Amino acid sequence: QVQLVQSGAEAKKPGSSVKVSCKVSGGPFSSYAISWLRHAPGQGLEWMGGIIPIFGTGNYAQKFQDRVTITADDSTTTAYMELSSLRSEDTAVYYCARAIEDGGYARALDYWGQGTLVTVSS
Amino acid sequence: DIQMTQSPSSLSASIGDRVTITCRASESISVYLNWYQQKPGKAPKLLIYTVSSLQSGFPSRFSGSGSGTDFALTISSLQPEDFATYYCQQSYSSPQTFGQGTKLEMK
Repeated sequence: QVQLVQSGAEAKKPGSSVKVSCKVSGGPFSSYAISWLRHAPGQGLEWMGGIIPIFGTGNYAQKFQDRVTITADDSTTTAYMELSSLRSEDTAVYYCARAIEDGGYARALDYWGQGTLVTVSS
Repeated sequence: DIQMTQSPSSLSASIGDRVTITCRASESISVYLNWYQQKPGKAPKLLIYTVSSLQSGFPSRFSGSGSGTDFALTISSLQPEDFATYYCQQSYSSPQTFGQGTKLEMK
């Protein structure tokens, strides 16, 4: 059974950065897109970007292009999302999720991490 | 970005009711329309993918339909465990985008 396990909650100051990890186990890793999404209070789900580990390059939503870096480590089957220049509006639950099929991003997301709460406050 | 508009944003219904939630895309997304169920404090769960394929673990009272820009999720006979928030999502083009959600509450 595929599992995605994320790192724990973070409390950050405005202007700082946060890095969230997503460990994938129980299934293939390299050829499946891992997406990062967030759900802010009172807002909808937002897709931030993703990575197909075998290709190694992140694919980002324009809104986050300047502030987000998504990476993957094949040796540990772990994906990472780093968000910089944090502001209060970045307070949200951040999720990683895996595509239902390999080979691209135009896929539904069938396995999700448990979510990581990132709180940005001075 | 493709805009996804769900309606209604909230819905009160009773056990046994037939319920339909609609989702409209701002442009054609072919069959790349997915539905998720989310309960409080939990991650979303994939419910239906590519318009009408039911994800393993969900009962057949859930069904999806539509094509192009207009889609629907139907629950044929509501059960207590179905009260949740439902989101549509397009995975046709990047960035993937979601509807604002429909909160299904018990009447």
